Amino acid sequence: AQSVTQLGSHVSVSEGALVLLRCNYSSSVPPYLFWYVQYPNQGLQLLLKYTSAATLVKGINGFEAEFKKSETSFHLTKPSAHMSDAAEYFCAVSDGGRGSTLGRLYFGRGTQLTVWP
Amino acid sequence: KAGVTQTPRYLIKTRGQQVTLSCSPISGHRSVSWYQQTPGQGLQFLFEYFSETQRNKGNFPGRFSGRQFSNSRSEMNVSTLELGDSALYLCASSSIRSTATYTEAFFGQGTRLTVV
Repeated sequence: AQSVTQLGSHVSVSEGALVLLRCNYSSSVPPYLFWYVQYPNQGLQLLLKYTSAATLVKGINGFEAEFKKSETSFHLTKPSAHMSDAAEYFCAVSDGGRGSTLGRLYFGRGTQLTVWP
Repeated sequence: KAGVTQTPRYLIKTRGQQVTLSCSPISGHRSVSWYQQTPGQGLQFLFEYFSETQRNKGNFPGRFSGRQFSNSRSEMNVSTLELGDSALYLCASSSIRSTATYTEAFFGQGTRLTVV
């Protein structure tokens, strides 16, 4: 079975500071991992994805994440926070979806990021 | 290229009524999934459709149903609405590849359903 745990429902940082959002996963198969961002009253936008090609994944808006199998982690980082990064972030793991279907995404409970000026 | 379009964006219904939500996937995408988002339960998978067939189903009661048309557009229906059905309903579409490469989900902006 697949599951995701996001440590910290709220994270606050100052503008220009490092952003670190934590995600640990559990998967019975080689995982496909994702980070999504959600702005108020909006849908989910894909930031980045891990599909076994490389352990360090670079995404949009300066975000990146590192897959660590030994720690079952996929933490999201950004070197320097910007006010526009304030949003809710979701980590997700897929149950497969190779070939014919997308499969099912299992989401964490989300981390609300606040950026102070 | 247009994104995933969900209509309507906002909806208010009375308990006991039924509701139908619509999702138009990205052109060329043939897989459509639905998710429910609530503050209490977070994001939960409802079902996935591909080629007009339901391929996966989440743990929701039978009041929740869906379908997919030949043009890949999808609808979901909730009958006998309950207050707890108030949520943001998100639709996601994805392309299907012939290789084992994983596809990704592109989400619409959602339909905010309020049951009163």
